[in-house]
Amino acid sequence: NAGVMQNPRHLVRRRGQEARLRCSPMKGHSHVYWYRQLPEEGLKFMVYLQKENIIDESGMPKERFSAEFPKEGPSILRIQQVVRGDSAAYFCASSSKELSNQPQHFGDGTRLSIL
Amino acid sequence: DAKTTQPNSMESNEEEPVHLPCNHSTISGTDYIHWYRQLPSQGPEYVIHGLTSNVNNRMASLAIAEDRKSSTLILHRATLRDAAVYYCILISNFGNEKLTFGTGTRLTIIP
Repeated sequence: NAGVMQNPRHLVRRRGQEARLRCSPMKGHSHVYWYRQLPEEGLKFMVYLQKENIIDESGMPKERFSAEFPKEGPSILRIQQVVRGDSAAYFCASSSKELSNQPQHFGDGTRLSIL
Repeated sequence: DAKTTQPNSMESNEEEPVHLPCNHSTISGTDYIHWYRQLPSQGPEYVIHGLTSNVNNRMASLAIAEDRKSSTLILHRATLRDAAVYYCILISNFGNEKLTFGTGTRLTIIP
């Protein structure tokens, strides 16, 4: 089942380090979304990307967070100088745009823990 | 995006039908009604979506009120694997389709 693949599944970082989260969309999907889920809370939209373009980053914190989706390779969510409050589950989803209102297919997330 | 309201939690007995309600009184004419669910320790999973007519697929049925101000997700025969948080989400046909998750309904299945 070539679904959305996220790695690593679990990531532990110390305060001040960098975290890099990877997402490979489903085959044929060129639209990627990142969401964050804080403990005991719902998912919050962060950023929407198409190949090589950021379409909507209205949910991204203004500092330390960045995302890319290069022409080749997975989408990367990068968090610089991590702090305890960055501890969360980060989910990636992909969709196809051939038809409107296509469902988003989610990966199983990366659980980031900050020591 | 228009807001949805769902009960915080529901319980159902195994092998019985489950009706999960969702109110969306400010829905616009171009909003689709989507349902996702999130099983423990997993990412959300698409369940079903519709615009005006009732919809059926292998997972569930979606009943949409005539005025579209409410909808009901129907699981015809609940199993223990259906225990999850169910989210009702409105998506504009003209938006960029980012999903706005509310608090959802936590469904507990009683064996």
